[in-house]
Amino acid sequence: ETGVTQTPRHLVMGMTNKKSLKCEQHLGHNAMYWYKQSAKKPLELMFVYNFKEQTENNSVPSRFSPECPNSSHLFLHLHTLQPEDSALYLCASSQTSLGDNSYEQYFGPGTRLTVT
Amino acid sequence: GQNIDQPTEMTATEGAIVQINCTYQTSGFNGLFWYQQHAGEAPTFLSYNVLDGLEEKGRFSSFLSRSKGYSYLLLKELQMKDSASYLCAVRDSNYQLIWGAGTKLIIKP
Repeated sequence: ETGVTQTPRHLVMGMTNKKSLKCEQHLGHNAMYWYKQSAKKPLELMFVYNFKEQTENNSVPSRFSPECPNSSHLFLHLHTLQPEDSALYLCASSQTSLGDNSYEQYFGPGTRLTVT
Repeated sequence: GQNIDQPTEMTATEGAIVQINCTYQTSGFNGLFWYQQHAGEAPTFLSYNVLDGLEEKGRFSSFLSRSKGYSYLLLKELQMKDSASYLCAVRDSNYQLIWGAGTKLIIKP
């Protein structure tokens, strides 16, 4: 048990659908992250939140919309996705993403997303 | 650009030793991480190196040479449960993690 949960674990959606991914961390961390993991590719950082404020947006298409209502919860709202968006979406948390420290990231189990 | 290189796949025998290499070219360096990811599961933290040298943690050790832009993860007394992907990640000058594509390790009896 890593202390980071994600729902749903699997999601199949059409290109015209709207859905949301949810992440919750029970570790008292202040930073939360969304990553995209495609087969045989490096993890792609999508968004970073520190103390509920978005501090990174790595040129992610606007069809992905993050929301962080508090330090424990993170959402990724999806709309009009493309088939190439099919991937594993991982949420992670850490003490902070700022400054020089050795704080590792704790990952959730991910949501396997298939866009048809 | 920033780049992390590690072998795509390695095979080793149960009980043996395996070394997984990682080379990096990044804008700045603020530490290197190794993670383990079993198929269908979350990545889990294994080790962190920020100074040159070897960090040992049970059967796993991680080595860093900053001058060479090089690290390795050493796994001893391999067990079947060590079959997984091993991810190398470097924290750059902006404290962002740059990830390698991972090395899939297959352990054979």
